[in-house]
Amino acid sequence: NAGVTQTPKFQVLKTGQSMTLQCAQDMNHNSMYWYRQDPGMGLRLIYYSASEGTTDKGEVPNGYNVSRLNKREFSLRLESAAPSQTSVYFCASTRQNTGELFFGEGSRLTVL
Amino acid sequence: GENVEQHPSTLSVQEGDSAVIKCTYSDSASNYFPWYKQELGKRPQLIIDIRSNVGEKKDQRIAVTLNKTAKHFSLHITETQPEDSAVYFCAASFRGGGYNKLIFGAGTRLAVHP
Repeated sequence: NAGVTQTPKFQVLKTGQSMTLQCAQDMNHNSMYWYRQDPGMGLRLIYYSASEGTTDKGEVPNGYNVSRLNKREFSLRLESAAPSQTSVYFCASTRQNTGELFFGEGSRLTVL
Repeated sequence: GENVEQHPSTLSVQEGDSAVIKCTYSDSASNYFPWYKQELGKRPQLIIDIRSNVGEKKDQRIAVTLNKTAKHFSLHITETQPEDSAVYFCAASFRGGGYNKLIFGAGTRLAVHP
């Protein structure tokens, strides 16, 4: 089992460009999450999907959109990247929505 | 609002000493409290968790205590070792849109000196 796989691992964008972070899990988990990690601010929830077909905003959703494509895949899109979106992004999944979160390796995004 | 506060932000101990990290949460309905460890450049990984029907849980050198009345929970690491050096995050579950989501504290950077 690969667990939670994120792509790309590194990306540099210019302000205003768009991109999509891809996430897939092979553990048959129902719930999937996107967090961003910034120094001194911990892991902040951007969006989550409690089950296939549903998505909800987290703590910091502005500037992002998500798609739960199917049970395995949950993508995060930046429509018009801003320097404030420079961060490390983690995708995570869990079988039930109060259980162990399994994280991907992270995607380091730099917006110039 | 949904909030988890974590203290201290940094903690330095000598090998063999104990380390304690404390968190408070804002919603009395929260019922799940995990702790994650993140080594440099790695992903966060669960080390221990506790549910609201239990006051304390231990796993070898690690223990977590929960005080529901005070909305407070703590991580205790005894006999610390250099490999315990990492960033530790607490989290609490919050109900939203009919589902639970995990909100994290800001993290504690623990340094264990030989």
